Amino acid sequence: KAGVTQTPRYLIKTRGQQVTLSCSPISGHRSVSWYQQTPGQGLQFLFEYFSETQRNKGNFPGRFSGRQFSNSRSEMNVSTLELGDSALYLCASSLAGWGYTFGSGTRLTVV
Amino acid sequence: DQQVKQNSPSLSVQEGRISILNCDYTNSMFDYFLWYKKYPAEGPTFLISISSIKDKNEDGRFTVFLNKSAKHLSLHIVPSQPGDSAVYFCAASAEETSGSRLTFGEGTQLTVNP
Repeated sequence: KAGVTQTPRYLIKTRGQQVTLSCSPISGHRSVSWYQQTPGQGLQFLFEYFSETQRNKGNFPGRFSGRQFSNSRSEMNVSTLELGDSALYLCASSLAGWGYTFGSGTRLTVV
Repeated sequence: DQQVKQNSPSLSVQEGRISILNCDYTNSMFDYFLWYKKYPAEGPTFLISISSIKDKNEDGRFTVFLNKSAKHLSLHIVPSQPGDSAVYFCAASAEETSGSRLTFGEGTQLTVNP
């Protein structure tokens, strides 16, 4: 079966702009989580959506937001981009909140 | 506050030998621990997990040990193979926040030399 698909794979944006990243979970998976990976920081939890509702949220500023659609696809948005937002953004999906499968990520570079 | 720490950023071993990757945690509420492996340009892949009610879990060449009193876990790979070369992440979760919120360590780059 198809894995978790993230688009785009690479993105370059300018400071102050906003960006939207997309994640298509494995078919049938209802939980989608987002993580940010930066050098030396490991992966940091952003938020989790389950059945279109945000169920869990990490310690990120309000510039980071997300949503989930009825088909379980999810998007995350970052507004007013800062240089420090440059990172690999990973999406992971699971049936009900355990046993996550990760996508390959979107590499965001803010210049 | 880094609740999950992997103090060795890198580890190099010879093919056929044992690789031991270590992880320490500070949050006593963590009750489920996982190891992920990550190749460049790919997402992390789940390797093995352990619940806090156990102290050992084995899956083929991979064994995870948990020492709750020391808040320490380790991943043993025996025998190590060149294809095991990757970044390994330790992760933990607490039931109260559900398994969806994983707290990851910074990762350890394992290099297995032929």
